[in-house]
Amino acid sequence: ELKVEQNPLFLSMQEGKNYTIYCNYSTTSDRLYWYRQDPGKSLESLFVLLSNGAVKQEGRLMASLDTKARLSTLHITAAVHDLSATYFCSCLGGGSEKLVFGKGTKLTVNP
Amino acid sequence: NAGVTQTPKFQVLKTGQSMTLQCAQDMNHEYMSWYRQDPGMGLRLIHYSVGAGITDQGEVPNGYNVSRSTTEDFPLRLLSAAPSQTSVYFCASSYSGLYGYTFGSGTRLTVV
Repeated sequence: ELKVEQNPLFLSMQEGKNYTIYCNYSTTSDRLYWYRQDPGKSLESLFVLLSNGAVKQEGRLMASLDTKARLSTLHITAAVHDLSATYFCSCLGGGSEKLVFGKGTKLTVNP
Repeated sequence: NAGVTQTPKFQVLKTGQSMTLQCAQDMNHEYMSWYRQDPGMGLRLIHYSVGAGITDQGEVPNGYNVSRSTTEDFPLRLLSAAPSQTSVYFCASSYSGLYGYTFGSGTRLTVV
């Protein structure tokens, strides 16, 4: 059974600092997704990672995937207040369409 | 292009009542799924469908039914609502998963 673990679950950062959110998954997966959720809102797709070594960047966020280590990272560069949100990773088990989510990382960026 | 449309946005039910949460997408996506989101639990998969006429159970299917008679619609039925079903429900769709999943705006359900 596929399990997805994120850490940390809560992250408080100062503006301008860098940090990384980690997403570990327990079984083979060939697709990994990152989402952003603002309070009271729906989920917004950030990145789709489909292969080992995949790296995608959008603004101050960069996501990577290491399928051998079963690990994805979301790196935040020079954080700004607008990045405050909850970030979720999710992935599909090999051969399954069951999308499993981590519990999310609530990021707060303080001025 | 409306994307994924969920109705209603808010609903209060009494214990034992039944209701259907509606989900429709206009992107010709084959994959559709329902999740519930509870504080500290992330999103948990209730049921999913890989095409019209095909559905399967997710992680937390008990108390919920689904059907997929058309590509566009994937309603979620609560047969006899219980307070434990108080949650925010999200519907999502995808074209094969290669391009990510598009989520609806959610339905906030309270069962009293």
